[in-house]
Amino acid sequence: NAGVTQTPKFQVLKTGQSMTLQCAQDMNHEYMSWYRQDPGMGLRLIHYSVGAGITDQGEVPNGYNVSRSTTEDFPLRLLSAAPSQTSVYFCASGGGTANTEAFFGQGTRLTVV
Amino acid sequence: AQSVSQHNHHVILSEAASLELGCNYSYGGTVNLFWYVQYPGQHLQLLLKYFSGDPLVKGIKGFEAEFIKSKFSFNLRKPSVQWSDTAEYFCAVRGGGADGLTFGKGTHLIIQP
Repeated sequence: NAGVTQTPKFQVLKTGQSMTLQCAQDMNHEYMSWYRQDPGMGLRLIHYSVGAGITDQGEVPNGYNVSRSTTEDFPLRLLSAAPSQTSVYFCASGGGTANTEAFFGQGTRLTVV
Repeated sequence: AQSVSQHNHHVILSEAASLELGCNYSYGGTVNLFWYVQYPGQHLQLLLKYFSGDPLVKGIKGFEAEFIKSKFSFNLRKPSVQWSDTAEYFCAVRGGGADGLTFGKGTHLIIQP
């Protein structure tokens, strides 16, 4: 029972490089979301999806792109990495409707140099 | 948009001391409330949640929280902390929209043996 699986766990990028953070869930949740965690800032919502083919922006979407072609997968793309995107990224599954909870992946620690 | 305020950013306690972490939110409608814990180097785990009913909610590891609607508060408590409770604690709220959870900035709790 994997729950929410994120890959990679760690990544170092050079400024300007692009990459995709993977997120997969096996709980058949329609709702998935991406957060970034920065010291003293808590978690902030980047993008979310209420189902396959439907995505929307959260609080801090700039520099990130998402798509949702299947229920299981919700990848997050960094188009041109910047040092300001150095952060820990968490994918969450579920929790999009009232009286449901979100389940979090293990996180991806990204450093942009 | 909803917001969450956690009053204490850093708390240091001795083992066996009692704990209370404050959380206030701003949202006028029906809310779901959560406390998550993040142990060093790990992902977020759900401590407890409030959806409806009894405002005193019991969670894992001896934690509890009380929802006081008139004060827009959801404070976390534990009668006697242990060294293993050293972690970061996040309060989160979901209001009426589909845009996920709003997190507080977190409280870093250190328990001294």
